[in-house]
Amino acid sequence: GQQVMQIPQYQHVQEGEDFTTYCNSSTTLSNIQWYKQRPGGHPVFLIQLVKSGEVKKQKRLTFQFGEAKKNSSLHITATQTTDVGTYFCAGRPGTASKLTFGTGTRLQVTL
Amino acid sequence: DARVTQTPRHKVTEMGQEVTMRCQPILGHNTVFWYRQTMMQGLELLAYFRNRAPLDDSGMPKDRFSAEMPDATLATLKIQPSEPRDSAVYFCASGPDPAWTEAFFGQGTRLTVV
Repeated sequence: GQQVMQIPQYQHVQEGEDFTTYCNSSTTLSNIQWYKQRPGGHPVFLIQLVKSGEVKKQKRLTFQFGEAKKNSSLHITATQTTDVGTYFCAGRPGTASKLTFGTGTRLQVTL
Repeated sequence: DARVTQTPRHKVTEMGQEVTMRCQPILGHNTVFWYRQTMMQGLELLAYFRNRAPLDDSGMPKDRFSAEMPDATLATLKIQPSEPRDSAVYFCASGPDPAWTEAFFGQGTRLTVV
């Protein structure tokens, strides 16, 4: 079945440093979404990418969808303590509605 | 403020007991997902429904788990009998039709089976 892996599993940075998490799917995706889950919370939608090679920005966050639509990345510039949490990518294979989540990257930010 | 509502928020039960978790999706959303989250396995899709019909429950252990949508405002996930390995946070999420947009998650049910 479809697998969606993320690296790294965990990253600890100092406030102000940049952070990147990578998402790789074993199958081509029709779209990819990114979610953030704060400790003790539930996943919250950040963004969706649909087109091959698409790049979207939200303030300090930059999201990319690979040309082959099998990988994606999330880059945070100048991290802040409010960025702490686990970041998940989630993809839909083909035309299916099934939303499969990646393994997640937990980000810790310290002063 | 539309939100997905899950009950109960916390549940502690003894091994062998039946557990029922409930979810009220956002009004108008016709896609409903059940996920289980553990440290080891991450977010696993157990089942999902579209227009109340189960589309995929391949991630759900069939011998003890069952998921239903008795009506458009209620989704249930039942475990009978429960086992300690079922301890996890169970999330329900809903999405609008077409199901190409974001999934809205409930706050989850934290289940502990002792």
